[in-house]
Amino acid sequence: TQLLEQSPQFLSIQEGENLTVYCNSSSVFSSLQWYRQEPGEGPVLLVTVVTGGEVKKLKRLTFQFGDARKDSSLHITAAQPGDTGLYLCAGARNNDMRFGAGTRLTVKP
Amino acid sequence: KAGVTQTPRYLIKTRGQQVTLSCSPISGHRSVSWYQQTPGQGLQFLFEYFSETQRNKGNFPGRFSGRQFSNSRSEMNVSTLELGDSALYLCASSLHRGTDTQYFGPGTRLTVL
Repeated sequence: TQLLEQSPQFLSIQEGENLTVYCNSSSVFSSLQWYRQEPGEGPVLLVTVVTGGEVKKLKRLTFQFGDARKDSSLHITAAQPGDTGLYLCAGARNNDMRFGAGTRLTVKP
Repeated sequence: KAGVTQTPRYLIKTRGQQVTLSCSPISGHRSVSWYQQTPGQGLQFLFEYFSETQRNKGNFPGRFSGRQFSNSRSEMNVSTLELGDSALYLCASSLHRGTDTQYFGPGTRLTVL
């Protein structure tokens, strides 16, 4: 079983729709990171959240870290085809980083 | 600054063979981590090297090994390849250890026939 569970596993939506993906765990993390990976490339860091309850915005992307620092969500407003990719969350604890399996997002024009 | 580079980008091997993958981190980065990525299991941590020493190891058999050189470049080796070793192998470098922001290379796609 994964330390970090991401849902949904797959998501296919139309351009302009909103969506939320989730990253859940029973473990507490000192920080949590979100990455996006496009085909043929390695993951690229989008954001790091550190404080329980923290909300960070990156243009149309809103990231939230749960109060208990066990879960996180990523909300995309008015999705665009350029948002297509694999979204990975990664939790840090005890000098260790662990990744979820990812949510594969497809945004159709 | 140049990004993380991995060679080769693609590799085809047969069962029982061994393979060595190479990773050059971003200049100045001292930590290199390796991951195996498969559709079913996602990104699985293999090991982390910092200052030429393995600092952390994931739950993989002893057939998977690695090393880091004094210039921070790293190699990983897989011996006695199995079909299940087919995967994308990603290398990530960071300035400091462990939970620092990781910068990934494009990966090496290994296919075992």
